[in-house]
Amino acid sequence: SYELIQPPSVSVSPGQTANISCSGDKLGTKYVCWYQQKAGQSPVVVIYQDVKRPSGIPERFSGSNSGNTATLVISGAQTMDEADYYCQAWDSFVVFGGGTKLTVL
Amino acid sequence: EMQLVESGGGLVQPGGSLRLSCTATGFTFSTYTMTWVRQAPGKGLQWVSSINNNGRSTYYTDSVKGRFSVSRDNSKSTLYLQMNSLRAEDTALYFCTRDLTPGSALDVWGQGTTVSVSS
Repeated sequence: SYELIQPPSVSVSPGQTANISCSGDKLGTKYVCWYQQKAGQSPVVVIYQDVKRPSGIPERFSGSNSGNTATLVISGAQTMDEADYYCQAWDSFVVFGGGTKLTVL
Repeated sequence: EMQLVESGGGLVQPGGSLRLSCTATGFTFSTYTMTWVRQAPGKGLQWVSSINNNGRSTYYTDSVKGRFSVSRDNSKSTLYLQMNSLRAEDTALYFCTRDLTPGSALDVWGQGTTVSVSS
């Protein structure tokens, strides 16, 4: 079965850029989306179709996808961005990455 | 406002059954594929099942095939997940989600309903 691999954790200081990677075989040939899940809340999509940002999502969130790796970039990360982030792709069906805990402090 | 509200979770013994429901409001339910996603305590997200807009095509993750059944009633804007032969490893928060378009994103999520399987 298809697997997506994410680092368990990423830590940055406020104002720095956070990069969260998601790796999978030939991932660049698939659409990837990213979800943010804050503690005790339901996930929210922050990037879909690799690079698209839903309305209401701040411009500091961006995405890319090429080769075997997709990346979520949070430029100028804020403390409010602390959350678990999950990548997701489709390989016949929905596949999630294991999630990355982003710490901003 | 688009909203999904799940219900039907609870505590059940191993081998038991539960039926989850998800009621949609604020959008035309019958035009969307719907998906169940679960999250075990302290763990990540796991896709469980999807059903296309007219209910004729259903899909399941391997671990629930033959035990779970997804269905929908478009006249009631309601999605269901019938869960039989429950196991301890099915313990999780179950989310109902909407597929924005096939292959794009799960763009609307409910608040989830908790299923606990324990003796």
